[in-house]
Amino acid sequence: AQSVAQPEDQVNVAEGNPLTVKCTYSVSGNPYLFWYVQYPNRGLQFLLKYITGDNLVKGSYGFEAEFNKSQTSFHLKKPSALVSDSALYFCAVREIAGTASKLTFGTGTRLQVTL
Amino acid sequence: DGGITQSPKYLFRKEGQNVTLSCEQNLNHDAMYWYRQDPGQGLRLIYYSQIVNDFQKGDIAEGYSVSREKKESFPLTVTSAQKNPTAFYLCARSKGPGIGANVLTFGAGSRLTVL
Repeated sequence: AQSVAQPEDQVNVAEGNPLTVKCTYSVSGNPYLFWYVQYPNRGLQFLLKYITGDNLVKGSYGFEAEFNKSQTSFHLKKPSALVSDSALYFCAVREIAGTASKLTFGTGTRLQVTL
Repeated sequence: DGGITQSPKYLFRKEGQNVTLSCEQNLNHDAMYWYRQDPGQGLRLIYYSQIVNDFQKGDIAEGYSVSREKKESFPLTVTSAQKNPTAFYLCARSKGPGIGANVLTFGAGSRLTVL
């Protein structure tokens, strides 16, 4: 089975500093990887995805993610954090089950950006 | 709402009662999903459906049931057999299984509390 791991429960960053939220994956075959963000009491919002091609993927709200095959990682990054980026971030991997597909999520990382 | 609506937003249930959560989408998408979210555990897949009148169990289907009689609707019933039903439930939609790496679009969620 495919899986992703988010090793940090929480990441704390000062506003204006760069941020990184870590994700590692375990898949057979080529990975299809995703990042989502969740604000309190809301559903998840799509940020970006990696399918193939460029290892640096750009997404919404200034976020980007770097796919690293040798390290089986897909870390989320932003050059300059904002207080409004504070939220819960989920990494996910697509799984194929027969003719269907589904996403398997990590446990989430809470990002806290302070002034 | 991203073309997907969940109701009710908050729901209270007494032990032993069944309860049904509604999920409706208006974008004519084939695939729909139900996830459960618990603190520290990320999202876990309950059921998913790729076409009308067909659905598959996810990782934690015990104590839940679904139906897919219409393309736009995918209600989830939390039965009295579900041992620990208090959670945040998220419904999602995507275009379908055969279109590359599908992005899931989530509803705003339903928070179920068992009294």
